[in-house]
Amino acid sequence: AQSVTQLDSHVSVSEGTPVLLRCNYSSSYSPSLFWYVQHPNKGLQLLLKYTSAATLVKGINGFEAEFKKSETSFHLTKPSAHMSDAAEYFCVVGAGNNRKLIWGLGTSLAVNP
Amino acid sequence: DGGITQSPKYLFRKEGQNVTLSCEQNLNHDAMYWYRQDPGQGLRLIYYSQIVNDFQKGDIAEGYSVSREKKESFPLTVTSAQKNPTAFYLCASRIGQGDFAEAFFGQGTRLTVV
Repeated sequence: AQSVTQLDSHVSVSEGTPVLLRCNYSSSYSPSLFWYVQHPNKGLQLLLKYTSAATLVKGINGFEAEFKKSETSFHLTKPSAHMSDAAEYFCVVGAGNNRKLIWGLGTSLAVNP
Repeated sequence: DGGITQSPKYLFRKEGQNVTLSCEQNLNHDAMYWYRQDPGQGLRLIYYSQIVNDFQKGDIAEGYSVSREKKESFPLTVTSAQKNPTAFYLCASRIGQGDFAEAFFGQGTRLTVV
């Protein structure tokens, strides 16, 4: 069965410090993996995606994620948090032979001045 | 510009009423989706459609109905059978269901029962 687990429901960092949002997945097939960001009362925007090319994926706004097959992880990182990064972040796996999208429950990122 | 348009942004429903949420895309995508979002529960799939005139139930289809008469349109009706319809509703599309493509989202409709 396919599943995705975001290990932290809430993360709080200070502005200018690194961000780490953790995501583990389970998939019987070679997965496609995505991170989305959602600001309050807005739709979702794609940050980055992994589709079996390079394991280190760079996205928008300085975010990147590394696909680690041995750890079944796809953690999202950013070297230096900005106030505008405060939002909800979702890890998504496209899994199975029909590439159904499986959504994590989200991680709320707070950035303190 | 290509994208997905949801309307209205805010919608109020009285008890026992049916309401329809609009979703239009000009991305020429085959697959379209409706999600419901509640605090702390992430996104839950209501219905999806892989092609015109075809759609399938998602994980929480009870109390909802959809149609897919045109490629660019995938309206969602929240019926009176949906006992707890207050939520944020998101429409999305992908090039196809069975590929590595990402989903593109509209800005959402917030439905409130009054």
